[in-house]
Amino acid sequence: DIQMTQSPSSLSASVGDRVTITCRASQSVYRQLNWYQQRPGRAPNLLIYATSNLQSGVPSRFSGSGSGTDFTLTISNLQAEDFAIYFCQQTYSSPRTFGLGTKVEIK
Amino acid sequence: QVQLQESGPGLVKPSETLSLTCAISGSSISSTYYWGWIRQPPGKAFEWIGSIFHTGSTYYNPSLKSRITMSVDTSNNKFSLNLNSVTAADTAMYFCTRDRSEVGASNLWGQGVLVIVSS
Repeated sequence: DIQMTQSPSSLSASVGDRVTITCRASQSVYRQLNWYQQRPGRAPNLLIYATSNLQSGVPSRFSGSGSGTDFTLTISNLQAEDFAIYFCQQTYSSPRTFGLGTKVEIK
Repeated sequence: QVQLQESGPGLVKPSETLSLTCAISGSSISSTYYWGWIRQPPGKAFEWIGSIFHTGSTYYNPSLKSRITMSVDTSNNKFSLNLNSVTAADTAMYFCTRDRSEVGASNLWGQGVLVIVSS
């Protein structure tokens, strides 16, 4: 199975900050990398699919980049509703595997 | 608005079969999407269980394949998961999902249902 490693595991930031979360795959997943957000008590929500494609309805302050084994989720101008857990998923190889998540907390 | 709702027993005894159903509202199960299951054991990463198309084609996690059966009920717009021979390691929050494709992202998730395996 492809292992997905996210960093950091948690971070503290303020409203208006720019936040970057990274995800590294144990082998190339080409561009088959997705990002999700999970707020407390709510179902996960797809933010970005295939590395850089913004899911419909997701604010443009979210963006994704990368290829191969290294990927980045960037949140520009962090908003109060963005404090949540973010996790990556590769869908290049079966089984699809997930990172452990990055918790974005209020500073 | 499309919604997914999981249902099933919250407690299952070891060695028995875990059975969950996902009801789809606001969309037809016979659309171009795939329908899947993902679980998250306490304190661990999400684990992809498998996905199914309305035709019955299935894609299972190889590590769970011997214990899984997924099915669709097109008449009632539902799909189901059966996981047999459960152990405490199967204790998790189980989510049903709508997937963009057989290898695509899950663009809709249910709220999840907690299943505990215990005697």
